[in-house]
Amino acid sequence: KQEVTQIPAALSVPEGENLVLNCSFTDSAIYNLQWFRQDPGKGLTSLLLIQSSQREQTSGRLNASLDKSSGRSTLYIAASQPGDSATYLCAVRFEGGADGLTFGKGTHLIIQP
Amino acid sequence: SQTIHQWPATLVQPVGSPLSLECTVEGTSNPNLYWYRQAAGRGLQLLFYSVGIGQISSEVPQNLSASRPQDRQFILSSKKLLLSDSGFYLCAWRGGFGTNEKLFFGSGTQLSVL
Repeated sequence: KQEVTQIPAALSVPEGENLVLNCSFTDSAIYNLQWFRQDPGKGLTSLLLIQSSQREQTSGRLNASLDKSSGRSTLYIAASQPGDSATYLCAVRFEGGADGLTFGKGTHLIIQP
Repeated sequence: SQTIHQWPATLVQPVGSPLSLECTVEGTSNPNLYWYRQAAGRGLQLLFYSVGIGQISSEVPQNLSASRPQDRQFILSSKKLLLSDSGFYLCAWRGGFGTNEKLFFGSGTQLSVL
């Protein structure tokens, strides 16, 4: 079964710290992996997309890495700010699976001012 | 540019009542469209996807149905809601090609069945 797991489920850190969110997936045959941000009661905002042939993508203070062979991805957030507080979701487009993305349950991140 | 609209934002319905949630996409043609549900404490679950008008694929057996009467319109329905249908419903469309494909989501509908 193709599954996506995110740890930790929740994380609280002081403002200014660098942090890493983890995502693991059970099948290394993937098209791509996408990181999303979700604010309470809102839709999902796409942060970064890593194609299967890529190892990392960067956008501002965010850096996402991909290690297909080990089934892992990380989202690195530098110099965290209170506005970064949200739930971060990892989603994988598996090869041969159903159309659409398979999501992890997310990491609820709180940045303390 | 492409935009996706979902409504209503919030809905409270009694058990046994019908449901109709609508999603429309602008700025693209023949998009792949998706309905996801996010239940409390659970991840997003793919409910339905559509590759074209009248073409619906269901991922999980359930009390809901989907229809695509027009190219850029995707509707989620139920004849009689259950308590377990409560959740946050998200519509999405797929953009890009090959490994660069991405999903873009609407703002969601919070459904409470009482």
